[in-house]
Amino acid sequence: DAGITQSPRYKITETGRQVTLMCHQTWSHSYMFWYRQDLGHGLRLIYYSAAADITDKGEVPDGYVVSRSKTENFPLTLESATRSQTSVYFCASSLRGVETQYFGPGTRLLVL
Amino acid sequence: KQEVTQIPAALSVPEGENLVLNCSFTDSAIYNLQWFRQDPGKGLTSLLLIQSSQREQTSGRLNASLDKSSGRSTLYIAASQPGDSATYLCAVSLSSNTGKLIFGQGTTLQVKP
Repeated sequence: DAGITQSPRYKITETGRQVTLMCHQTWSHSYMFWYRQDLGHGLRLIYYSAAADITDKGEVPDGYVVSRSKTENFPLTLESATRSQTSVYFCASSLRGVETQYFGPGTRLLVL
Repeated sequence: KQEVTQIPAALSVPEGENLVLNCSFTDSAIYNLQWFRQDPGKGLTSLLLIQSSQREQTSGRLNASLDKSSGRSTLYIAASQPGDSATYLCAVSLSSNTGKLIFGQGTTLQVKP
């Protein structure tokens, strides 16, 4: 039972490049979330999805795009990466919005 | 705007001690509160979830309490062990529809053998 996985685990890119972070869950959870974790800011919600084809903004959505064509996948795309997007990105899922969120192992992104 | 605060930011205790981690939130209109554990370089692991109608939840040596009216939650760890060393985060949910969580910045716990 793989649970929730993220790829790549580490990524180095350059300013202006497009980057896509992948998230996959095997539980058929309805809800999926993307967070970023930064020193001094803690964890902040970027985007979330309540079901396939339903997405909405979180606290810090600017510069990011998401899609959810299949229940199990929730990719996060940085359209034109900036240094301020250097962070650790976590994907999470939950069966319903009110229930426990289960987190992936994270992707460490460095934008040079 | 909901704000979640965890004090202290870091805590060091000898093995075997009972300890309390604190979490406070500014808006009492929460749907639930969750406590997570994060080990260095790892993702978050859920420890306990307390619904807004509940006063406490227990799991093994962990007990979490919730006082909505005062905007406070505590995580009690009994008989601490070196393996409990980690960062502990609390998060509040404001809505049953969205599942959005607002996180505190965490308390980093070190339990010394």
